Amino acid sequence: KQEVTQIPAALSVPEGENLVLNCSFTDSAIYNLQWFRQDPGKGLTSLLLIQSSQREQTSGRLNASLDKSSGRSTLYIAASQPGDSATYLCAVRWRMKTSYDKVIFGPGTSLSVIP
Amino acid sequence: GAVVSQHPSWVICKSGTSVKIECRSLDFQATTMFWYRQFPKQSLMLMATSNEGSKATYEQGVEKDKFLINHASLTLSTLTVTSAHPEDSSFYICSARGWREDYEQYFGPGTRLTVT
Repeated sequence: KQEVTQIPAALSVPEGENLVLNCSFTDSAIYNLQWFRQDPGKGLTSLLLIQSSQREQTSGRLNASLDKSSGRSTLYIAASQPGDSATYLCAVRWRMKTSYDKVIFGPGTSLSVIP
Repeated sequence: GAVVSQHPSWVICKSGTSVKIECRSLDFQATTMFWYRQFPKQSLMLMATSNEGSKATYEQGVEKDKFLINHASLTLSTLTVTSAHPEDSSFYICSARGWREDYEQYFGPGTRLTVT
């Protein structure tokens, strides 16, 4: 059964710190993995998408890595800012034996960056 | 990136009535659409997946007769919550993807449903 977990559940850091968010998944035969940001009461904002053949993706202060064999992905945020405060979700996509894919979201990490 | 819209953004309805939520891909053809539900302080749970012109595939525990999904065109999918109850109150989010398997999945802004 495919499952996705994220640790920590919540994180509070002072402004300027570098931080790492973790995502773990069972069943390493993934298709891709995507990191999202969600502000309270809002929809999702896509941050980074990593295909199964890739090991990392970078966008600005964000870097996401993927290690399929160990079932892990990390989201690295450099020089954190108060505006980074949000819930970060990872979503893992698997191909199923049927024609449909399955995307499962992790429970999220709630990040608070203190000015 | 591609844009997915949802309408309405929020809706309040009385218990026992039905509510329809629309999901549109504005600048691409969405061969596959997904519907998710998110309860407060919880993550997104996939409800169903649909390919254009086909019946939706529902996840275990999701009542297909209660949550009617129609994906009749390449740019529109609808979710109808029939005979809504207060426990159906939730944040409903759709996403859409183009025909290529490696196409990114784009998410709508969500619809907040409150059933009184």
